Amino acid sequence: AQSVTQLDSHVSVSEGTPVLLRCNYSSSYSPSLFWYVQHPNKGLQLLLKYTSAATLVKGINGFEAEFKKSETSFHLTKPSAHMSDAAEYFCVVSGATGGKLIFGQGTELSVKP
Amino acid sequence: EAGVAQSPRYKIIEKRQSVAFWCNPISGHATLYWYQQILGQGPKLLIQFQNNGVVDDSQLPKDRFSAERLKGVDSTLKIQPAKLEDSAVYLCASSPEGGSYEQYFGPGTRLTVT
Repeated sequence: AQSVTQLDSHVSVSEGTPVLLRCNYSSSYSPSLFWYVQHPNKGLQLLLKYTSAATLVKGINGFEAEFKKSETSFHLTKPSAHMSDAAEYFCVVSGATGGKLIFGQGTELSVKP
Repeated sequence: EAGVAQSPRYKIIEKRQSVAFWCNPISGHATLYWYQQILGQGPKLLIQFQNNGVVDDSQLPKDRFSAERLKGVDSTLKIQPAKLEDSAVYLCASSPEGGSYEQYFGPGTRLTVT
């Protein structure tokens, strides 16, 4: 079975400092992994995805994530946080039956001025 | 390109009442998904359609929830009768195909059962 664990339910950073949102996954086969962002009262938006190509994946708005098979991790990073990055972030793995997405519990990112 | 449309955006009902949600996916997208997102949790898949056929409904509480996708385009999700624990945001998503393709999400319908 596939699953994801987001290691922090809430992360708070200051504007201009780096962001690190941690995610570990469990999968019985080579997974597809995603990060989605959800701003208040808005739909989920795809930040980036890993589908067995390059292990360092670049996404929108300066975010990137690195797939590390040995550590079963897919952490999301950004060099410099912006106020507009404040939102809920979900680490997601694609299920065995094509298309089904399995979401983590989410990490709420707060950005202080 | 128009996104995934959902209506209504908000709904408040009493327990034991019925409610229906509507979703219009992105034009040409073959696959449609309904997710339930309870406050403080990640979305959970309820049902997946490929065109107008059901691919996965293993987590759909079939004693009270039903869904259909007529003509492989629009979809409705119904709850009858509603329970307090059904209070959640119901998200619709679509994608060109299953597998690792990106899913595009609608804004969701926030259901409150009192």
